[in-house]
Amino acid sequence: GAGVSQTPSNKVTEKGKYVELRCDPISGHTALYWYRQSLGQGPEFLIYFQGTGAADDSGLPNDRFFAVRPEGSVSTLKIQRTERGDSAVYLCASSLGVGAWNEQFFGPGTRLTVL
Amino acid sequence: AQTVTQSQPEMSVQEAETVTLSCTYDTSESNYYLFWYKQPPSRQMILVIRQEAYKQQNATENRFSVNFQKAAKSFSLKISDSQLGDTAMYFCAFMEIQGAQKLVFGQGTRLTINP
Repeated sequence: GAGVSQTPSNKVTEKGKYVELRCDPISGHTALYWYRQSLGQGPEFLIYFQGTGAADDSGLPNDRFFAVRPEGSVSTLKIQRTERGDSAVYLCASSLGVGAWNEQFFGPGTRLTVL
Repeated sequence: AQTVTQSQPEMSVQEAETVTLSCTYDTSESNYYLFWYKQPPSRQMILVIRQEAYKQQNATENRFSVNFQKAAKSFSLKISDSQLGDTAMYFCAFMEIQGAQKLVFGQGTRLTINP
């Protein structure tokens, strides 16, 4: 079956612009996670959803970052007033449910470049 | 807060050799999961192997095995009979069973398998 998909694959924007990154999880997966991976680093947690609600958004760096999952499936990560420091690969993962025993399946990521 | 440390930024071995990647972590939790993920140039993170801390037996998956030393907080990955397709970034990761439902990753080890 289809895995986790993310669009766009690459996004180039100018400093100060607004961007949206989309994640389509595996069908039936109730948990969805966003991570950010800076160059040469491991991914860092941003936020996760259980169903439609954000269960933990403690990793969002500031209030310019926001994510939604209105119908409990597709999620959108929104970044306002982008800064050059936001340049990174944004990874999405989904799992059947929460809990460390549920494998997280990752998408290929969106590479965001802020000029 | 949990931390994961991978002290080998890069490693290189010949095809068919055995290689061991190191990982140490810090936590006050008694039960948790540990993971090794592979990230090829396509950017998609793939789960290689996982271990629950309460299980004393080291996990194995075909050519991949771990050496889990709970008291030392060490979780190394051994790849036997290495293949060219094993070339990738490898990330060690930690996840609590109770509490924060997020993967905490190390900085990664770039592994190159030479023909």
